[in-house]
Amino acid sequence: DAGVIQSPRHEVTEMGQEVTLRCKPISGHNSLFWYRQTMMRGLELLIYFNNNVPIDDSGMPEDRFSAKMPNASFSTLKIQPSEPRDSAVYFCASSPRDYQSLGEQFFGPGTRLTVL
Amino acid sequence: GQNIDQPTEMTATEGAIVQINCTYQTSGFNGLFWYQQHAGEAPTFLSYNVLDGLEEKGRFSSFLSRSKGYSYLLLKELQMKDSASYLCAAFFSGGYQKVTFGTGTKLQVIP
Repeated sequence: DAGVIQSPRHEVTEMGQEVTLRCKPISGHNSLFWYRQTMMRGLELLIYFNNNVPIDDSGMPEDRFSAKMPNASFSTLKIQPSEPRDSAVYFCASSPRDYQSLGEQFFGPGTRLTVL
Repeated sequence: GQNIDQPTEMTATEGAIVQINCTYQTSGFNGLFWYQQHAGEAPTFLSYNVLDGLEEKGRFSSFLSRSKGYSYLLLKELQMKDSASYLCAAFFSGGYQKVTFGTGTKLQVIP
């Protein structure tokens, strides 16, 4: 199994630029999560999709952040415009369970974003 | 949001036993997961508890007390490779299973 795939692994950009992070979940998994991890705030849930539908986006910091899941095998997280405080590691995770049941999450390797 | 509390750092000796505690708000609580995260890597699943009691998995065990809002991860026969952060994640109900992660406990195993 390939596991959760994320790209790019590292991204360095300048303030004001658009950033797009990509994720391919494990085939057959129903749920997909986007997280942001920083030293100060730990692992924060940004948005949660179930069967390609956003279930909870209350963790999305502000309108500069948006996420899509056009099909079961692909999701994007976009930041436009980016700011230095967005610098963090962004993880995508998938789970075989649906939104009403508990499930182990499988994390991708993460994208380390640096906004200068 | 739901508060999850865990110690920030711990140090233990190779071969010893260490217990990492986690407390959470009990309202709406459904279950608790433990993840291990080595520096620069992604979190990986260790264990989960839904009912009260101890779940044993090799050198790792996890305990849950739902009424007390308390869990711990027990690591036995510590090895140097166990040096990592350990994340406690609680699920809460509210129409769907909402997960909240603690900030993690950084464990350093010393010779």
